[in-house]
Amino acid sequence: KQEVTQIPAALSVPEGENLVLNCSFTDSAIYNLQWFRQDPGKGLTSLLLIQSSQREQTSGRLNASLDKSSGRSTLYIAASQPGDSATYLCALLFGNEKLTFGTGTRLTIIP
Amino acid sequence: DAGVTQSPTHLIKTRGQQVTLRCSPISGHKSVSWYQQVLGQGPQFIFQYYEKEERGRGNFPDRFSARQFPNYSSELNVNALLLGDSALYLCASSLVSSYNEQFFGPGTRLTVL
Repeated sequence: KQEVTQIPAALSVPEGENLVLNCSFTDSAIYNLQWFRQDPGKGLTSLLLIQSSQREQTSGRLNASLDKSSGRSTLYIAASQPGDSATYLCALLFGNEKLTFGTGTRLTIIP
Repeated sequence: DAGVTQSPTHLIKTRGQQVTLRCSPISGHKSVSWYQQVLGQGPQFIFQYYEKEERGRGNFPDRFSARQFPNYSSELNVNALLLGDSALYLCASSLVSSYNEQFFGPGTRLTVL
C-alpha cells in the first residue's frame, strides 16, 4: 500500500521566519509529486509540481525538493507571511494515475 | 482563463437520496478526476476519466458512478446516500492525463442528514 505521511500535523511560526514542511513516502516508484495549499473549506491550489526526474522546483518564495531514494520531499517557505497560513498537502502520482495525498500540515503564521 | 468550476457549492440531502455533482474542466483539458475529502483527511481518489472513458476507479462502492461528456465536463452521481458520504467533493482537471499537473476546483460540500 502506498503511504504518504506529513509531520507535523500542525505548525505555528512567527511572521518572517523561514520554514520547512515535510512529506515522506514508502514507495519510490513515483511519476511526480505536487504540493498544494488548502484554505479552510476551500479547494486545492497547486503550488509546485516536481517530475520524478527532477530534484527541485522553485516558485517565488517557495522551493520544493524531491529525494526518491530516501522517500522524502520538503517544501521550503522563505520569509513567511500571515497570508501563508493554510493547510499544505503533498500528493504523489504513481503508475495507477491517481494522486495519493498526505493528511496535510496546518500552518499558522503568527503576526 | 477560468479555472475548474464545480456546482453546486453546497448541498444538503437526507439518507437514501441520490445526488449529482457537476464539474467543468479548464478549457483544453481532457482529463477529469474526482476526489472525496472527509474533514481532517487528505482527499481520496474516486474516479478518473479521459476522453469520456473511465481510466481509474478508487476503493468506493458501486453507489458511486461518474461520466464524462463530449465537452469534457463530468458528473459524479452518488445513490442511496449514507451519513458517511458527507464530505467535500473535489474535481481536478489535467491537460491529457493524470501525469500532467492537476488543477482542482473549489469543491462541492455535501452534507447528508
